[in-house]
Amino acid sequence: DTAVSQTPKYLVTQMGNDKSIKCEQNLGHDTMYWYKQDSKKFLKIMFSYNNKELIINETVPNRFSPKSPDKAHLNLHINSLELGDSAVYFCASSQEQILGETQYFGPGTRLLVL
Amino acid sequence: GDSVTQMEGPVTLSEEAFLTINCTYTATGYPSLFWYVQYPGEGLQLLLKATKADDKGSNKGFEATYRKETTSFHLEKGSVQVSDSAVYFCASGGTSYGKLTFGQGTILTVHP
Repeated sequence: DTAVSQTPKYLVTQMGNDKSIKCEQNLGHDTMYWYKQDSKKFLKIMFSYNNKELIINETVPNRFSPKSPDKAHLNLHINSLELGDSAVYFCASSQEQILGETQYFGPGTRLLVL
Repeated sequence: GDSVTQMEGPVTLSEEAFLTINCTYTATGYPSLFWYVQYPGEGLQLLLKATKADDKGSNKGFEATYRKETTSFHLEKGSVQVSDSAVYFCASGGTSYGKLTFGQGTILTVHP
């Protein structure tokens, strides 16, 4: 069974479109995250949620809106897509949001904006 | 803010060679330190971690020691295999709600 899953795996779309990426974890974790990995492999946190509550919002444009319907799901909606949004987006989860806690990553969603 | 710096890549080695990937960090407080590995086309997996100074994390023949005096967490392996080819990320986990700060990643390629 996949611990952290994301859909879709690949997403190719036009500039200006709106798209969503879904993430689900079956680990029973309380905290979920979204990370963006750019073309140079640099990874940066975007958001984290703990028990459906937004905890971290790292100066991401407000075109990006995370939504957590329950603690097992954290979806990412992106409005008005731009070329610079092309990246790999990773979802992750951890049991708690404490120091030293291991985060478990999904396989990534490769977004290409044309 | 917190930051992590890894040695520049890519790193290319022959099978059975010794591997070192340097990692240094800056952080307020006493972060936990991690090495994650990303195999081609996959997400990140935890390789090893250390939560306090002088702790050594180890897994699959890889080791790293948390050195507070040099703010370092260098990754080592005595004999690499072709299957170790991947991107390696050093990360620090500070006290800010589980937030991880990643280094830029080091691409490792191991040839037979």
